Order: sequence, then structure tokens, then C-alpha cells
Amino acid sequence: QSALTQPPSASGSPGQSVTISCTGTSSDVGGYNLVSWYQQFPGKAPKLMIYEVSKRPSGVPDRFSGSKSGNTASLTVSGLQAEDEADYYCSSYGGRYNVVFGGGTKLTVI
Amino acid sequence: EVQLVESGAGLVQPGGSLRLSCAASGFTFSLHWMHWVRQAPGKGLEWVSRINSDGKYITYADSVKGRSTISRDNAKNTLYLEMNSLRAEDTAIYFCAREALVGRTQTDAFDVWGQGTMVTVS
Repeated sequence: QSALTQPPSASGSPGQSVTISCTGTSSDVGGYNLVSWYQQFPGKAPKLMIYEVSKRPSGVPDRFSGSKSGNTASLTVSGLQAEDEADYYCSSYGGRYNVVFGGGTKLTVI
Repeated sequence: EVQLVESGAGLVQPGGSLRLSCAASGFTFSLHWMHWVRQAPGKGLEWVSRINSDGKYITYADSVKGRSTISRDNAKNTLYLEMNSLRAEDTAIYFCAREALVGRTQTDAFDVWGQGTMVTVS
């Protein structure tokens, strides 16, 4: 149950696009289309932004998109806004009914 | 309103025990698999445990296996987590989370979260 690998930080200017990666193995990210992404503000509970690699729950802006290639999943935030500044976590089904999270990425809007 | 409310926060001595509860409302609790996720101060999210809708399928993270018991009471719309032999590294905010359903398919995504309850082992 090793954690998925995310960059500790990412940044972009308003209006730009930024992509956050999430690297696992063939036993988790690469083996299942069950990658999710969460947004978390300080002191708050996480919020689901993407599920099943690329699906958006109702109410999540279409500026947020997800994809996967091999053992690496990605979250792209397009048209970056100041309100997008938060921590982002990926997760994946890890087999044997386990779930594994990434270490988190702090997104800064410059 | 769909809601999860955790309780059971506290300060516990190393080696002690604690029982966390998570009261669900606003949705059909018995249809959803439920999870516990924790977050140590200043750290990332860590999945802790999962229980299926009828309580028969349960899994734990290696870090808590053998020391924790997840359970649920569908009649009371409540999820529980009992933790024993607590260690300093168990200090964290514990969130309960609902696994999203798409039709009747599990998604391994958590679409509803509680506000979290703080457990301090010291």
C-alpha cells in the first residue's frame, strides 16, 4: 500500500492551465479506471472533483479535467482562477478492496 | 441535506482505545459502502478502512490492521471505528466518507465527507 506520487507543489497564473500528475503502479492507477481527485482547503474536508479518471460530479466546473496514461493519472485545471488555490489529492483503487492516496499537491495561483 | 457528522474526538494515552461514530442523514445509508480516512496534522490523506453496505466485507490499511474495527448500524444510520493500542502516529483528523454510487456500481470515490473529528494520542 505505497502512496501514489504527486509533486509537492504546482503553480500557474490566472487564466493559465496547470497539470498535476499522480504516479502509481500497474497494481493501482494502471490497473483500474478508478482514479479520483480531491480539492481541499485548509481546515476543510476534501471535495470530490474527478472520479473514474475523467468524470466530473455535478457542480464541478468543466475547467477541471482528468486523464490517465499507463500508471500515471493527471488533473488539469484550465483557466486558472484564484479560488482554485488549494491542496489536491489523487486516489486510486489499489486492489483487494484497498484505496491509496497520493501525497498531495499544493496549487498556488501566482 | 446529505450529511455526515463524526463524533468521538479526544485525547487518548498511548496504548489506549477510542470509538469514533459517524451519523449519516439525508440519504439511504444502507445502500452505500462507507470509509474512514485520516489526516495527520499538516500531512496528506490516508485511507483507513472500508465497509460494504451490509457490513460483511471489510478491509483495513496495513497501518491500522489488527488494531481497528469498522462497523455499521444501518438501522441507526451510523458508521463506527474502534481503535485500540493507539500510538502517537494515529494522531489525526478522522473523516468518514461515503463512497459514490453510479447506478449500482461502486466508484471508489468519496462524494460526501464529514467535517472530521480530531484524535490526539499523547
